[in-house]
Amino acid sequence: GAVVSQHPSWVICKSGTSVKIECRSLDFQATTMFWYRQFPKQSLMLMATSNEGSKATYEQGVEKDKFLINHASLTLSTLTVTSAHPEDSSFYICSARSRGRGGYTFGSGTRLTVV
Amino acid sequence: TQLLEQSPQFLSIQEGENLTVYCNSSSVFSSLQWYRQEPGEGPVLLVTVVTGGEVKKLKRLTFQFGDARKDSSLHITAAQPGDTGLYLCAGDSGGSNYKLTFGKGTLLTVNP
Repeated sequence: GAVVSQHPSWVICKSGTSVKIECRSLDFQATTMFWYRQFPKQSLMLMATSNEGSKATYEQGVEKDKFLINHASLTLSTLTVTSAHPEDSSFYICSARSRGRGGYTFGSGTRLTVV
Repeated sequence: TQLLEQSPQFLSIQEGENLTVYCNSSSVFSSLQWYRQEPGEGPVLLVTVVTGGEVKKLKRLTFQFGDARKDSSLHITAAQPGDTGLYLCAGDSGGSNYKLTFGKGTLLTVNP
């Protein structure tokens, strides 16, 4: 079955630094990747959608200069949280979709803690 | 903007009881998906319903998709502590700009 690998699973960083989260599709080509943010005991909130080779489309209220998304290949997308602050602490989850096979495959998430 | 209203948001029941979670929208979705999520992990797909009026069963879980493809329900029979988790419904917009719209989720606790 389709597998999406997300790394790191958890990261602690200092306020003001940047952190990069990777999302890889292991056995299929992810034409579209989605990045979500989730607060404790709450649902997933879509942050942005990225198509391979194109600029990401951000949801309303999401700062594109703060959450940099790169989808340079069909198997890799990255989310970089720039100049992180404690309020950026959250659970970030990626999801990938292949045009050919349909369906959405989720990564296992990244717990970001900014101290 | 397509919205999904999911209820209840929290549910705490005893082992052996039955429960139903509802997911409603004013919009039509090409399909609707149900996920279960454990703390610290990504959501895991339980089922996808596509056809209006469709009913799918997964052991003690029964999923229904409304005739108009705007609402869905998840019914769990004889809940067990292992069913504890966050249940999420998500509507797929389909078309060329497909994306999932998630409901707020139902945090289920099944007490032994």
